[in-house]
Amino acid sequence: GDSVTQMEGPVTLSEEAFLTINCTYTATGYPSLFWYVQYPGEGLQLLLKATKADDKGSNKGFEATYRKETTSFHLEKGSVQVSDSAVYFCALRNSGGSNYKLTFGKGTLLTVNP
Amino acid sequence: DADVTQTPRNRITKTGKRIMLECSQTKGHDRMYWYRQDPGLGLRLIYYSFDVKDINKGEISDGYSVSRQAQAKFSLSLESAIPNQTALYFCATSAPTETQYFGPGTRLLVL
Repeated sequence: GDSVTQMEGPVTLSEEAFLTINCTYTATGYPSLFWYVQYPGEGLQLLLKATKADDKGSNKGFEATYRKETTSFHLEKGSVQVSDSAVYFCALRNSGGSNYKLTFGKGTLLTVNP
Repeated sequence: DADVTQTPRNRITKTGKRIMLECSQTKGHDRMYWYRQDPGLGLRLIYYSFDVKDINKGEISDGYSVSRQAQAKFSLSLESAIPNQTALYFCATSAPTETQYFGPGTRLLVL
């Protein structure tokens, strides 16, 4: 079945540091890939997405590129801010019969210190 | 106003009690979902509904039931709550093949 593996946290960075959160997936067919963010005390918000190979999703300075050859969708940001502290979830949605379903990774807690 | 609302936001209950968590949406989506979030486990799908008459079990439906009262409302019930149902519960909605939008969550503690 489908699965998502993302790097375990917690990740602690200083402000303006470079961020990478790794995400790899296993899926049949041609999934769409997502990064969701959960700020403290809030629900999940879509951060960015990519629907086909080589697509790059971007939002709020974050980027991720859909790499079919390595089955990866790593999240990056060049200069993190304290306000980026949150839990980040990588997820996929299959294009086949189970296309209603999001499969999530376990989440990575990011803490950015001033 | 928020597109997806959940009530209550926090709930403490005792083992064996029946409780209901409610979800409403104003996005006009046909599809609605209930997930639970546990530390270190990500989100897992409990039930999903494609429309008012189409309700389906997800990965972890045992101990839960749902009701789709209208297109905009989808309730989750715990018939007899147990401590390992202590978790953060999220409702989500989507159009077919589109992004899922999540509510703010309900934090449930079962004593």
